[in-house]
Amino acid sequence: DIQMTQSPSSLSVSVGDRVTITCRASQSVSSYLNWYQQKPGKAPKLLIYGASNLQSGVPSRFSGSGSGTDFSLSISSLQPEDFATYYCQQSYSSPPYTFGQGTKLESK
Amino acid sequence: QVQMQESGPGLVKPSETLSLTCNVSGDSMSSSSYYWGWIRQPPGQGLEWIGSIFYSGSTSYNPSLKSRVTISVDTSKNQFSLELRSVTAADRAVYYCACDFAYYFAFWGQGILVTVSS
Repeated sequence: DIQMTQSPSSLSVSVGDRVTITCRASQSVSSYLNWYQQKPGKAPKLLIYGASNLQSGVPSRFSGSGSGTDFSLSISSLQPEDFATYYCQQSYSSPPYTFGQGTKLESK
Repeated sequence: QVQMQESGPGLVKPSETLSLTCNVSGDSMSSSSYYWGWIRQPPGQGLEWIGSIFYSGSTSYNPSLKSRVTISVDTSKNQFSLELRSVTAADRAVYYCACDFAYYFAFWGQGILVTVSS
């Protein structure tokens, strides 16, 4: 299985901050890397697919980059509604699809 | 837009079978080119893909669960189902159904918490 490792596991941030979360794959996943946002008690929501493609309806302050083994999710100016946990997921090698362990954004 | 809703018992006894159904609306499963998947999340933990099914019945399972899992589809009812056999406390989780675009999960159900206890 391809292992996905996110860093950091948690991040203390403030509204207006630029935030970057990284995700590393144990082997190349090409650009088959997706990002999800999950708020407490809610289902995950797709933000970015194919490493850098913004899902319809997702604000443009979210962006994704990377290929191969190293990826990042950036939020250009954090909004109050962005406090959540973010997960990466690889779909290059299936089965199984695998997810990162999550990065929780907390208020500083 | 596709909408999805999980249903089934919220409590299952150890060693028994967990059975959940996902009702799909907003698209016909038999005419779409999507896969339909199940993902679970133990409380306070991360996400684990269980498996996915195509409307034709072709399936793909997580090897870690494959011996205990069956996913089936009923296109006449526009729904698909999950069976997880021989459950233990480790199977306690929120179970989500999701629309699998083959590379990413675009739409999700709200999730259903299943507890394993006698």
